Amino acid sequence: DAKTTQPPSMDCAEGRAANLPCNHSTISGNEYVYWYRQIHSQGPQYIIHGLKNNETNEMASLIITEDRKSSTLILPHATLRDTAVYYCIVRDEYNQGGKLIFGQGTELSVKP
Amino acid sequence: DVKVTQSSRYLVKRTGEKVFLECVQDMDHENMFWYRQDPGLGLRLIYFSYDVKMKEKGDIPEGYSVSREKKERFSPILESASTNQTSMYLCASSFVGSPNQPQHFGDGTRLSIL
Repeated sequence: DAKTTQPPSMDCAEGRAANLPCNHSTISGNEYVYWYRQIHSQGPQYIIHGLKNNETNEMASLIITEDRKSSTLILPHATLRDTAVYYCIVRDEYNQGGKLIFGQGTELSVKP
Repeated sequence: DVKVTQSSRYLVKRTGEKVFLECVQDMDHENMFWYRQDPGLGLRLIYFSYDVKMKEKGDIPEGYSVSREKKERFSPILESASTNQTSMYLCASSFVGSPNQPQHFGDGTRLSIL
């Protein structure tokens, strides 16, 4: 079972920041938080991951709370192409090669 | 950029047929994975491999076999396809060793068994 909880859907205006929350209250000390997204009929796309520090790359920023029980993915300037289902995953790196368990995700709709 | 290529986007096969799926990655990744994705069930691991000639069962290996003869290629086989194997099949690859190596996915093969 997925170890994360996300809102099922969110809307965001084009050009605005999209902030996608994720709860992972049972995360253990060596588990990383990963974010992927999936555009309809395509394979999942890796976005970003982190352990306890905030992370930023060319796609997004990841903010992890100090207690690591929740995190937020930030898309700083959402575009229509960011419309997708976003998955927050807590990954056990040492179980079955670090398999990914996707929950239901958040369906983000970016509107003009 | 990492490239994971699944040879077919859509396949339609008949019950009882032997079905071959193919996946090739060009990043010299040691790990390769096969998942299936079904509505309401999320992603489920079928098999994974951490080296050439090596394979490990995932959570739902029944009805599937796999081969990894070359590092860049990981191919599952549906020995005798059944309608409950209709699904989206996703291949992924990653580096092995230290943790926090992200998996990169192909675009998927949508398989329909009639």
